[in-house]
Amino acid sequence: QVQLQESGPGLVKPSQTLSLTCTVSGGSISSGDYYWSWIRQPPGKGLEWIGYIYYSGSTYYNPSLKSRVTISVDTSKNQFSLKLSSVTAADTAVYYCASTYSYSHFDYWGQGTLVTVSS
Amino acid sequence: DIQMTQSPSSLSASVGDRVTITCRASQSISSYLNWYQQKPGKAPKLLIYAASSLQSGVPSRFSGSGSGTDFTLTISSLQPEDFATYYCQQSYSTPRYSFGQGTKLEIK
Repeated sequence: QVQLQESGPGLVKPSQTLSLTCTVSGGSISSGDYYWSWIRQPPGKGLEWIGYIYYSGSTYYNPSLKSRVTISVDTSKNQFSLKLSSVTAADTAVYYCASTYSYSHFDYWGQGTLVTVSS
Repeated sequence: DIQMTQSPSSLSASVGDRVTITCRASQSISSYLNWYQQKPGKAPKLLIYAASSLQSGVPSRFSGSGSGTDFTLTISSLQPEDFATYYCQQSYSTPRYSFGQGTKLEIK
C-alpha cells in the first residue's frame, strides 16, 4: 500500500518561501497511473488543491496560486516537493501531499503538516 | 471554475440513523464526483469515487449516487466512527479540482 509522508519546516516568516517534501513509499512515483498533488487546509476551513506533478516533470497549478507555486519531482528518491513563495499569514495551513489516480480522485494522503506563517 | 455546494453545512444524527448529504455542482460534471471523510486532526479519506464506486475497504453502509449537477452521499446506518466532516470533490474540470465546503456530522 502506498504511503506518503510530508516533511519540512513548521514555521516560515512572512515574505519567505515555504518548502515541503513528500516521500512516497510502498510504490513507485514513476507509476504511470498517478499524478502527485499538494492540497492545503487552513485551520478550521476547507480543502484547496494547490497543484500536481507527473513523474515526467509536467505540472499543473491552481490558477489562484500559480504565480507563487513550484512543484518538482525527484524520481531517484521517490519524492516530490512544493515551494510557495512570498508567503503571508493567509498561507498558514495544514499541507497534505496526495496521490491522484487517473486525473480523478485522491486515494492516498500523507498525514499532513502544519505550516504557520509568522514573524 | 466549477463551484461545489454541500448541504447541509452541519447535521446532527444518532447512531443507527440513515443520513444523506447533498452536493450540487454549478454546472454539469457528469459522474466526476468523489466523496471524502475527514476526522479531526487526520487527513481526508476517500470513500466514493466516480459518484457511486465504493473505494476498497470502505464499509458498504456508505453509498453515493447522482449525475449531472446533483449528488448524494448516504450512510445507511450511522456508526459511532462515522461522526466526521464529509467533503465532495469534482474532477470534471481536471486538473482544476474543487471541493465542497464540507458537512460536519455530529452526534445528536
